[in-house]
Amino acid sequence: DSGVTQTPKHLITATGQRVTLRCSPRSGDLSVYWYQQSLDQGLQFLIQYYNGEERAKGNILERFSAQQFPDLHSELNLSSLELGDSALYFCASSVGDAWGGYGYTFGSGTRLTVV
Amino acid sequence: GIQVEQSPPDLILQEGANSTLRCNFSDSVNNLQWFHQNPWGQLINLFYIPSGTKQNGRLSATTVATERYSLLYISSSQTTDSGVYFCAAFLRGGSQGNLIFGKGTKLSVKP
Repeated sequence: DSGVTQTPKHLITATGQRVTLRCSPRSGDLSVYWYQQSLDQGLQFLIQYYNGEERAKGNILERFSAQQFPDLHSELNLSSLELGDSALYFCASSVGDAWGGYGYTFGSGTRLTVV
Repeated sequence: GIQVEQSPPDLILQEGANSTLRCNFSDSVNNLQWFHQNPWGQLINLFYIPSGTKQNGRLSATTVATERYSLLYISSSQTTDSGVYFCAAFLRGGSQGNLIFGKGTKLSVKP
């Protein structure tokens, strides 16, 4: 157990729907990062939050949004889902707000299948 | 241009064999890390190795930052070593902690 908890582990939904993925960071970590792993794009950074505030944005679609709550857990919202959104979504956490180094830990991911 | 490039893309080994995986990275990234993604999808942090050599059991890694490459060595491979090995790095001078990943080397170790 890495200490980063992601739920649900698997999710199957239809095109056009909206889903929410949840991440609880490792105890003491203030930063949460979201990554998408798809067959064609590989592992790509989506967005980072640090202590409740958005810190960095990567290749995140406008249909996707995220937030980090006061208890530091984060949610990634995916809306108007398309078949191409099917992927493994990872959350990671680190203590600081910049280059995690050793303290960069990944959760086990949420596998999203859009049908 | 490509910031983190891995080779080979695929590798098949017999159990007990040794292997070397390579990662080339551009001067726009640094602070290299190696990850193993097991067949169940879990990403495990193997090494944080911005430079020098580190060893952990049968695995070791070397990064030559001045020549912009890193090598991951797997000795006496076991079937449990199967999966995808990624190298990743942070954007040089970046103020955020997001990683740039290579496309990975898929390793299959046969019994």
